Amino acid sequence: GAGVSQSPRYKVAKRGQDVALRCDPISGHVSLFWYQQALGQGPEFLTYFQNEAQLDKSGLPSDRFFAERPEGSVSTLKIQRTQQEDSAVYLCASSYRVAGGINTQYFGPGTRLTVL
Amino acid sequence: AQSVTQLGSHVSVSEGALVLLRCNYSSSVPPYLFWYVQYPNQGLQLLLKYTSAATLVKGINGFEAEFKKSETSFHLTKPSAHMSDAAEYFCAVSVGRGSTLGRLYFGRGTQLTVWP
Repeated sequence: GAGVSQSPRYKVAKRGQDVALRCDPISGHVSLFWYQQALGQGPEFLTYFQNEAQLDKSGLPSDRFFAERPEGSVSTLKIQRTQQEDSAVYLCASSYRVAGGINTQYFGPGTRLTVL
Repeated sequence: AQSVTQLGSHVSVSEGALVLLRCNYSSSVPPYLFWYVQYPNQGLQLLLKYTSAATLVKGINGFEAEFKKSETSFHLTKPSAHMSDAAEYFCAVSVGRGSTLGRLYFGRGTQLTVWP
């Protein structure tokens, strides 16, 4: 596709359920980022992949959050035992090169997660 | 550590008026600076970025921003607002090296309203 795609676009989960959010980056992009955007806030970094390697996961808020990119393309963000505070928009971004400040990150439309 | 402050969560202007969205940053190393725009139910779209080549940066849709190191500012301007400029705008900073390589630090965003 022409841009970063994410699915589902909207997800409603009951507290305690597990969810999986998918990101399809732009073809050939080496770097992939996940961000969390709470209501009324700017996006906050969660984790970074360079190809299939997860090089930085320091932004993951708890051990209930897990991300993978097994073949260096599609990535999945999994949240176990969801809590109400997990309600947010989850954004995925990809970049052509290895992470560096100068490289433009292209964002997907996000997945809006609501935990009841 | 890196951080971004956007002064004013809401800015309203009349169509044809000057748009000024303020952004101040804090960075322990020379930063890369970005402005992104977010339309409802869409992902973040890059407007422009500062990468140290020139202090005055021109972006898409007639927007520009000036990097002022002495003021640690990167304010976004447009001489004449258009109705289609109504959206949320995010300022972000990144660094080119270190443990936080590549990740973006966002401000809280400024919602721009354009009145006819």
